[in-house]
Amino acid sequence: AQSVTQLGSHVSVSEGALVLLRCNYSSSVPPYLFWYVQYPNQGLQLLLKYTSAATLVKGINGFEAEFKKSETSFHLTKPSAHMSDAAEYFCAVSDLTNFGNEKLTFGTGTRLTIIP
Amino acid sequence: DTGVSQNPRHKITKRGQNVTFRCDPISEHNRLYWYRQTLGQGPEFLTYFQNEAQLEKSRLLSDRFSAERPKGSFSTLEIQRTEQGDSAMYLCAPGPPQGNEQFFGPGTRLTVL
Repeated sequence: AQSVTQLGSHVSVSEGALVLLRCNYSSSVPPYLFWYVQYPNQGLQLLLKYTSAATLVKGINGFEAEFKKSETSFHLTKPSAHMSDAAEYFCAVSDLTNFGNEKLTFGTGTRLTIIP
Repeated sequence: DTGVSQNPRHKITKRGQNVTFRCDPISEHNRLYWYRQTLGQGPEFLTYFQNEAQLEKSRLLSDRFSAERPKGSFSTLEIQRTEQGDSAMYLCAPGPPQGNEQFFGPGTRLTVL
């Protein structure tokens, strides 16, 4: 089974500053990786995905993530934070259930706060 | 718009009552998943349908939980004799996650008093 570790359950950055949210996965083979964003009382919205086509993946709202196999990482970045980026962010990896069916395994999430 | 609606969006119930949630994908999908998200955690897999067949249930799904997907379209998740530990967001996700976008519905937030 896969696992995902998100370092930092809470991250605060000033408006206009760099956003860096960390995600490390455990896998012996390159997996499919995803970042989702969740606003209060809403479902999950896909930000971006890695499916082995390119190591630098660009997503919506100016976010991007870089797949680094040597570090088993898939960190999410944004050059300049905006107030509207305040939300919870989840890293996820494609995984298999005990019976071999596809599913997603999520990290515990990182709550991003933007300081005016 | 993720193409998925879930009803109700919020449900408050007393311990011991039964509740039922519904998930309606707008377009047809062979696969449909249910996930549960507790406070401060990421979503966790609950169960999976291929068309109308429920192919797998995780160990998180006790005997008090039952899910159906008649006709392979909408799906329902019922919890009998609710407990406070059932309080969570229940998310429906139609479609395949394998390398493709897994879209999620807005979720049903259950609060058991």
